[in-house]
Amino acid sequence: GESVGLHLPTLSVQEGDNSIINCAYSNSASDYFIWYKQESGKGPQFIIDIRSNMDKRQGQRVTVLLNKTVKHLSLQIAATQPGDSAVYFCADTDKLIFGTGTRLQVFP
Amino acid sequence: GAVVSQHPSWVICKSGTSVKIECRSLDFQATTMFWYRQFPKQSLMLMATSNEGSKATYEQGVEKDKFLINHASLTLSTLTVTSAHPEDSSFYICSAFALADANTEAFFGQGTRLTVV
Repeated sequence: GESVGLHLPTLSVQEGDNSIINCAYSNSASDYFIWYKQESGKGPQFIIDIRSNMDKRQGQRVTVLLNKTVKHLSLQIAATQPGDSAVYFCADTDKLIFGTGTRLQVFP
Repeated sequence: GAVVSQHPSWVICKSGTSVKIECRSLDFQATTMFWYRQFPKQSLMLMATSNEGSKATYEQGVEKDKFLINHASLTLSTLTVTSAHPEDSSFYICSAFALADANTEAFFGQGTRLTVV
């Protein structure tokens, strides 16, 4: 069946460094993806989205890259801060299916 | 941006009882809402798609008679966990799509922590 998955369950980075979180998807028909951040005990929060007609989209400190050839997404967070510590999910909005999530831990 | 309100934020119930969770879109109309379940340290698992005025679409493995979904209006969907058991204890989250800055974006409720004792 269709799936959206993540490569790494946990990512630890030092404050100030850049973070890269990866995500793979299997549905070739997917045309719209969203990255979410989820803090403990809370619902997901929208971070950034990208459509399949784009390869890259930038937000504030975040960049999403889409490689349709290999069905791969990545979320780049610049100058990672302690407040960025959370679990990050990518989602395919065809049915809003989520990947397994990556926990980002930021240490001083 | 659009707001989705979920209530209650937490509930403790006895095994065998039923629990109703509400999901409201506060400033927009949602013809479709999604219900998710999330176990600790796991991803959000889509349970069902709630469609206003029609039957919900359940994902494989989700018992429709146990997880009753009602989407009677464009701003309210409810999930009722019937005859709850301890294994139903989980974090339940709803979401709805709305237009945001010319894009369609999914907005999430705050989640409901269900504990069945």
